[in-house]
Amino acid sequence: DAKTTQPPSMDCAEGRAANLPCNHSTISGNEYVYWYRQIHSQGPQYIIHGLKNNETNEMASLIITEDRKSSTLILPHATLRDTAVYYCIVRVSSNFGNEKLTFGTGTRLTIIP
Amino acid sequence: EPEVTQTPSHQVTQMGQEVILRCVPISNHLYFYWYRQILGQKVEFLVSFYNNEISEKSEIFDDQFSVERPDGSNFTLKIRSTKLEDSAMYFCASTDGHVNLKNTGELFFGEGSRLTVL
Repeated sequence: DAKTTQPPSMDCAEGRAANLPCNHSTISGNEYVYWYRQIHSQGPQYIIHGLKNNETNEMASLIITEDRKSSTLILPHATLRDTAVYYCIVRVSSNFGNEKLTFGTGTRLTIIP
Repeated sequence: EPEVTQTPSHQVTQMGQEVILRCVPISNHLYFYWYRQILGQKVEFLVSFYNNEISEKSEIFDDQFSVERPDGSNFTLKIRSTKLEDSAMYFCASTDGHVNLKNTGELFFGEGSRLTVL
């Protein structure tokens, strides 16, 4: 899988939008961008994924640049419960369906009251 | 909402002992995984499993490790002779398949089993 680069840590004020950047300059055409988070030592939790279009769900928005070399995860109104480590992962999608996720070190997001 | 369940939540064992960690994946899922996370470090892939056989394994997954789906519902990770460095949180995950217009392809993770080797 292509490597990703994320800032090691970020702070965000409660109620504000949290914008988490990710660089994936070597991404291939059949690779998706996935975002997961890990709250404390719990199991990682899926947030959102995308291929080339911007995506939005009930948790977050994902903005992917046109060249697909970087993306931004947006938490529109951050709460204290959003404090976690956020992982940007590039993952191949094939017909086999069992492609693993390769976690990096992620961004530790701290929401400040 | 369906979830992946893992037992035990915490196990303490002596070095050299065998340990079995158990997972019940989401019922209609076909692909299963084990990951581990040593305290303060990254989540590391161990093994993936499909159609009753290992699909892929990492360098960590040596001869001391084995996986099994004994009864169509449980998915187990066995460590034959534990070492101090096996102390970690072990996460099981499952998915129903690859991403497409209908599926996110997301992996669903359990809450983990913390293994402490003394």
